[in-house]
Amino acid sequence: DGGITQSPKYLFRKEGQNVTLSCEQNLNHDAMYWYRQDPGQGLRLIYYSQIVNDFQKGDIAEGYSVSREKKESFPLTVTSAQKNPTAFYLCASSPLTVVSGYTFGSGTRLTVV
Amino acid sequence: QKEVEQDPGPLSVPEGAIVSLNCTYSNSAFQYFMWYRQYSRKGPELLMYTYSSGNKEDGRFTAQVDKSSKYISLFIRDSQPSDSATYLCAMSGGGGGSNYKLTFGKGTLLTVNP
Repeated sequence: DGGITQSPKYLFRKEGQNVTLSCEQNLNHDAMYWYRQDPGQGLRLIYYSQIVNDFQKGDIAEGYSVSREKKESFPLTVTSAQKNPTAFYLCASSPLTVVSGYTFGSGTRLTVV
Repeated sequence: QKEVEQDPGPLSVPEGAIVSLNCTYSNSAFQYFMWYRQYSRKGPELLMYTYSSGNKEDGRFTAQVDKSSKYISLFIRDSQPSDSATYLCAMSGGGGGSNYKLTFGKGTLLTVNP
């Protein structure tokens, strides 16, 4: 089955640590996205990528980094510079024409302990 | 003014009620309109999409777009407890450049009580 897989489902991070969230898709989509979701704030775009080895900052990129070495994979690193990293993180993918919309993963809940 | 406005609710209705969820937008270039349903601690899933103005029906769900008023709606008939979720509207200009990217509303939390 085609889809988008995020792992892990739950992640705990100590203050000062970097952590990496995985996102893999087998839909052959060109574009991939990372969103952060906090209660009452909706989806906020962190980074997106339209093509391998290229990505753009979204609205809240500070404290995050990404890579796009393969079309199928778009990992997100939450660095120690991110002051308030506890949140629900969603990865999505889409074709470059958006008639079919985005396909989302099931999310990763990151908690700082 | 935000590009997409959506009342966050929460909205609580009895089972069997007709539910109306709405979004307004300011960008006249938007042509594709979508509704996503998100259950608690899950990723959003695409529920309905429409192109340009008009209505689209799928079972108990009807999506309505009024481009002249920059207003979209999702109606749920005979609502069920399983419809309890957050509903997000999303829209896009489609086409080339960065117009394929979606702009989302903040979501409306709906609870259907048995």
